[in-house]
Amino acid sequence: DGGITQSPKYLFRKEGQNVTLSCEQNLNHDAMYWYRQDPGQGLRLIYYSQIVNDFQKGDIAEGYSVSREKKESFPLTVTSAQKNPTAFYLCASSISRGKYNEQFFGPGTRLTVL
Amino acid sequence: AQSVSQHNHHVILSEAASLELGCNYSYGGTVNLFWYVQYPGQHLQLLLKYFSGDPLVKGIKGFEAEFIKSKFSFNLRKPSVQWSDTAEYFCAGHGSSNTGKLIFGQGTTLQVKP
Repeated sequence: DGGITQSPKYLFRKEGQNVTLSCEQNLNHDAMYWYRQDPGQGLRLIYYSQIVNDFQKGDIAEGYSVSREKKESFPLTVTSAQKNPTAFYLCASSISRGKYNEQFFGPGTRLTVL
Repeated sequence: AQSVSQHNHHVILSEAASLELGCNYSYGGTVNLFWYVQYPGQHLQLLLKYFSGDPLVKGIKGFEAEFIKSKFSFNLRKPSVQWSDTAEYFCAGHGSSNTGKLIFGQGTTLQVKP
């Protein structure tokens, strides 16, 4: 089955720790995205990557970092600098960058800071 | 600033009632708009999309949306809702850049009572 997988489904972190959320896709898509979902705020873009070894900051990149070493993988690290990391994180991909491409979403990771 | 807004945050309907969820966008140029749905415990999935052409767009599960350029609106409609339509609905649009970035509305939670 083609699709996007995210792991883990639930993640608990102590304050001051960095954690990395996994996102893998087997759709052969060039573009990948990370969003954060908070109640009443919709989805906000954290980082996006349009091609391997390249990525750009989204609207709320502070306290996060990413890498794109492989086409199918786009891990997100939530660093200790992120002041309010508890949220639901969604990864998405599209066949390429551009305005005419649908984004496909993974199942999400719910991060809770203890 | 480019934005997408949804004015109905929480809607409660009885089965067989008609549905209309509002969505407005605030940017010019080429407009590409989407409605996504997030059923409880499931992936965010695409309901329908508008790129150009007929402003009345039909999607899956009996949903449709009408793009009204003069009103900057892209409202979602369904003539008769079912209990299984209980979900969160997100309107989204591509901004004026060609990066593939999606701008999401705040989301509307729809609860359908059996």
